[in-house]
Amino acid sequence: QVQLVDSGGGLVKPGGSLRLSCAASGFTFSDYYMSWIRQAPGKGLEWVSYISKSGSYTNYADSVRGRFTISRDNAKNSLFLQMNSLRAEDTAVYYCARDLRPHQVSEAVDYWGQGTLVTVSS
Amino acid sequence: SSELTQDPAVSVALGQTVRITCQGDSLRIYYASWYQQKPGQAPVLVIYGKDNRPSGIPDRFSGSSSGDTASLTITGAQAEDEADYFCNYRDSSGNHWVFGGGTKLTVL
Repeated sequence: QVQLVDSGGGLVKPGGSLRLSCAASGFTFSDYYMSWIRQAPGKGLEWVSYISKSGSYTNYADSVRGRFTISRDNAKNSLFLQMNSLRAEDTAVYYCARDLRPHQVSEAVDYWGQGTLVTVSS
Repeated sequence: SSELTQDPAVSVALGQTVRITCQGDSLRIYYASWYQQKPGQAPVLVIYGKDNRPSGIPDRFSGSSSGDTASLTITGAQAEDEADYFCNYRDSSGNHWVFGGGTKLTVL
């Protein structure tokens, strides 16, 4: 069955860095666009970034552009989010998610990781 | 505007029908998707496209759209449907992705 396992969260000081990982299994990872979506404590969902199936195309929310970098390793069925220059407002649970349809950008995501908490505080 | 607006809270009596709405100009062009989120859990996709349910989602969940408003209808709400519901659209390039603020559904 499809499984996404998020890891790498933790407590980091403002200005610090963190790298999140998402291990995928149960499907052909290289066939799907993947995304990171976050949720601040008690708040709604916010799309952060997505990456094409080959990794050749990426896009970011304005709030993280220039600070975060999404990448993937299709040989290891893994998705990553490198987060630099972290701010208090980046505090959130970060979820990786799989696009609904293979081989194309989809209108929705159908599988989510369990999330990993990132706390930015001094 | 690209924003999506949802009522913060809605309640329904057990077994009754409830409609959760999502309003935004972009919904005149794009279908909304709907996600259910229970406390401490990741969101779950319940409706996408015109009115499509992923495998495993009960048929009491349905979607519809009119003008700038998308709706999620639960026909015969169950206690386990108590959750937060988020609407969302993503443009055809995938470069613009907006979530509504969420609706907390209480089943009485």
